[in-house]
Amino acid sequence: DTEVTQTPKHLVMGMTNKKSLKCEQHMGHRAMYWYKQKAKKPPELMFVYSYEKLSINESVPSRFSPECPNSSLLNLHLHALQPEDSALYLCASSPYSADSNQPQHFGDGTRLSIL
Amino acid sequence: GENVEQHPSTLSVQEGDSAVIKCTYSDSASNYFPWYKQELGKRPQLIIDIRSNVGEKKDQRIAVTLNKTAKHFSLHITETQPEDSAVYFCAASSPNTGNQFYFGTGTSLTVIP
Repeated sequence: DTEVTQTPKHLVMGMTNKKSLKCEQHMGHRAMYWYKQKAKKPPELMFVYSYEKLSINESVPSRFSPECPNSSLLNLHLHALQPEDSALYLCASSPYSADSNQPQHFGDGTRLSIL
Repeated sequence: GENVEQHPSTLSVQEGDSAVIKCTYSDSASNYFPWYKQELGKRPQLIIDIRSNVGEKKDQRIAVTLNKTAKHFSLHITETQPEDSAVYFCAASSPNTGNQFYFGTGTSLTVIP
């Protein structure tokens, strides 16, 4: 099983709503990531979790709140988003290694639209 | 931090021809270089990667070359097929930044039947 599963696939929400994006992997990977991707642009890193602890936060606004409840799950809680937050949100996972970088495996993403 | 540049931004080739995409990086400590293919509306998929202790790696019609001295690496696709049409992203990462990938800006490849 080499799959990263993201739900929902599509999400439309108003600026005052609260919603959550979910990501799950069962590859035993101990590093998980959230990316934001605009059309025809590269993925932009938002957060990195290593062994369920937040290790990188790329100065993301507080209206995005990540959570890693266990080694297989990663959530992204959304609140009071802005129209410019409309994008494809990608989750990825990789084996963790302290001394060498590892390939990241991406999910299909959640396409988010903010009204 | 690391800066990755990718060229060209768009590339059109006739089916059966070769395609080459080039990336340069700035951090001499970078030691891992993956390439991702992203078809429209789909996830980025790892197609090949190379580590800094290797100069070239090949997998069927796809090859990657790395020049550490010049700090550039290239993706080569031979005998292109229409299904190779996609956006391709290069990336670089270094042990100094954990597992963080620095992506290039992407190349939109179109293979004309």
